[in-house]
Amino acid sequence: GAVVSQHPSWVICKSGTSVKIECRSLDFQATTMFWYRQFPKQSLMLMATSNEGSKATYEQGVEKDKFLINHASLTLSTLTVTSAHPEDSSFYICSARVIGGPYNEQFFGPGTRLTVL
Amino acid sequence: SQQGEEDPQALSIQEGENATMNCSYKTSINNLQWYRQNSGRGLVHLILIRSNEREKHSGRLRVTLDTSKKSSSLLITASRAADTASYFCAAQGGSEKLVFGKGTKLTVNP
Repeated sequence: GAVVSQHPSWVICKSGTSVKIECRSLDFQATTMFWYRQFPKQSLMLMATSNEGSKATYEQGVEKDKFLINHASLTLSTLTVTSAHPEDSSFYICSARVIGGPYNEQFFGPGTRLTVL
Repeated sequence: SQQGEEDPQALSIQEGENATMNCSYKTSINNLQWYRQNSGRGLVHLILIRSNEREKHSGRLRVTLDTSKKSSSLLITASRAADTASYFCAAQGGSEKLVFGKGTKLTVNP
């Protein structure tokens, strides 16, 4: 099956710093990647849809200036949490759709746990 | 929002027993998917059932879909300790977006 990786798998940072999380499709190309966040014991909430070569589409209530998304290649999307605060602490998960693949199939990364002190 | 709801929120059973989890969603769908998540890990796709299907099997998994009630159920038969995880349903409509339910935390005791 298609493999998606995330880096780092966990990160601890001080309040006010920015953190970049990478999402890579390892053995396939993906025009579309998705970013989710998951609070403890809760479900995944879609934050944004990332399209290669164009601006990301953010879900209602997600601050685009706070969560910067860059999808610079067909195998890499990055999420930068700017000026992170403790309330941004969460589990961030990305998924990717295979280019030309069925629209209903997404492959998920292992997630990145962000803790902001 | 199309946010799904699962019940129960938590389920604890003994190895060998069957586990049933239910999911409800709010709007029309093209398909409904079930995922598994081990603690602190990513999601693993289990099974997809299309809106025109009523039942689907995959190994020890059985999924049903009732579009008139906007509900689905996941049955895991002959559960094993390794099945311990959280299970989420995800509804997909006309776009690529997945709307996840709140999940059921399943504990299978050896």
